[in-house]
Amino acid sequence: GAVVSQHPSWVICKSGTSVKIECRSLDFQATTMFWYRQFPKQSLMLMATSNEGSKATYEQGVEKDKFLINHASLTLSTLTVTSAHPEDSSFYICSARDMIAVETQYFGPGTRLLVL
Amino acid sequence: SQKIEQNSEALNIQEGKTATLTCNYTNYSPAYLQWYRQDPGRGPVFLLLIRENEKEKRKERLKVTFDTTLKQSLFHITASQPADSATYLCALDMEYGNKLVFGAGTILRVKS
Repeated sequence: GAVVSQHPSWVICKSGTSVKIECRSLDFQATTMFWYRQFPKQSLMLMATSNEGSKATYEQGVEKDKFLINHASLTLSTLTVTSAHPEDSSFYICSARDMIAVETQYFGPGTRLLVL
Repeated sequence: SQKIEQNSEALNIQEGKTATLTCNYTNYSPAYLQWYRQDPGRGPVFLLLIRENEKEKRKERLKVTFDTTLKQSLFHITASQPADSATYLCALDMEYGNKLVFGAGTILRVKS
């Protein structure tokens, strides 16, 4: 149980294009999902918290107009990197919080983004 | 400033021994502390959660201690196996599941 999937697992795009990453909770409902970014040999950094049916809450220093988050259902949240640039290349990981075991976050396998 | 520190160097141990990983933090007051395993190119996998009023938590070969006075958690893997080789992350839970702050992780290598 408690499986979270992400799609795509990796993506290469040209500078200036937009990329959408999907995060799904497969066997549980998640009112809250989280988006993290991880650079090589660094820790996961929380970008934003996404609540179903409401606007996402962004961490300080994260541009909400660049990283668009939509949480339209209890099992799906999407992150769109708009006008991507090489410095946006990173490992993006989502997590979902179980409605019952609220302290625990279950993480997806991550999406590797490379912007050329 | 706020910091979370884990062993920056990789920990190399022999199969069958106990691995002990350290997580120290400053200027945080977490409600919980969590440990995750992360394999290369993969997302973290939840291992254990320990609350501020708990001293120790066990799960199979894993043991976690939490000392809020020292601001330190120790993570032990007993009877280690090569399959335990991975990066282990500690995460401070600042808002009862709403906000996790991660350390950079410690690489564990178990040699047969």
